[in-house]
Amino acid sequence: EVQLVESGGGLVQPGGSLRLSCAASGFSFSDYWMQWVRQVPGRGLVWVSRINSDGSHIVYADSVRGRFTVSRDNAKNTLYLQMNSLRTEDTAVYYCVRPLNSGWYGELKLWGQGTLVTVSS
Amino acid sequence: DIVMTQSPDSLAVSLGERATINCKSSQSVLYRSSNKNYLGWYQQKPGQPPKLLIYWASTRESGVPDRFSGSGSGTDFTLTISSLQAEDVAVYYCQQYLDARITFGQGTRLEIK
Repeated sequence: EVQLVESGGGLVQPGGSLRLSCAASGFSFSDYWMQWVRQVPGRGLVWVSRINSDGSHIVYADSVRGRFTVSRDNAKNTLYLQMNSLRTEDTAVYYCVRPLNSGWYGELKLWGQGTLVTVSS
Repeated sequence: DIVMTQSPDSLAVSLGERATINCKSSQSVLYRSSNKNYLGWYQQKPGQPPKLLIYWASTRESGVPDRFSGSGSGTDFTLTISSLQAEDVAVYYCQQYLDARITFGQGTRLEIK
């Protein structure tokens, strides 16, 4: 089955760190750009970061640049998001997302179920 | 960043009637060399991740019912549901992917009247 499964969310204090993982299965993970999108419960979608297929090209939203680091391990079919210096406004469900086609990033076809990150004291 | 603005914020339509959601971008998302609009539409139901409905502004994703259609070019786009079904109750988002930093509209909540 083609799927993405996120893990690693939870409750963390402001200023703390958390690492999210996204396990991919059912497709050739190493062929696809991958992205993270977040959503505050009850609110809209916000794009966070993107990494190309071999990890050589990475883009971040201004709101997380310098605090978050995206990476991937193609041998393990896993995408990561290391989140440091967390703020209360980072509280959201974090989705791992794969595009429709390999070699491109735009159309967000395959979504995980999301993992909730709560930043609170 | 390209700002995406949807209208209306919420919409109530009777079953079987047409629903229309608009999306306006702060700058054109038409890439002239390919003549493609880098615009997608998504549907999100409660407790679920978003689902891709439309890409390149008007290309329906495989498996999406043909009552869903997308139109527009440049900065103004429309998602139309030709005959609303009960299962179409959801929040709908537009998205631009011309800019490296993808942005979404704020969402339009569609309900049954």
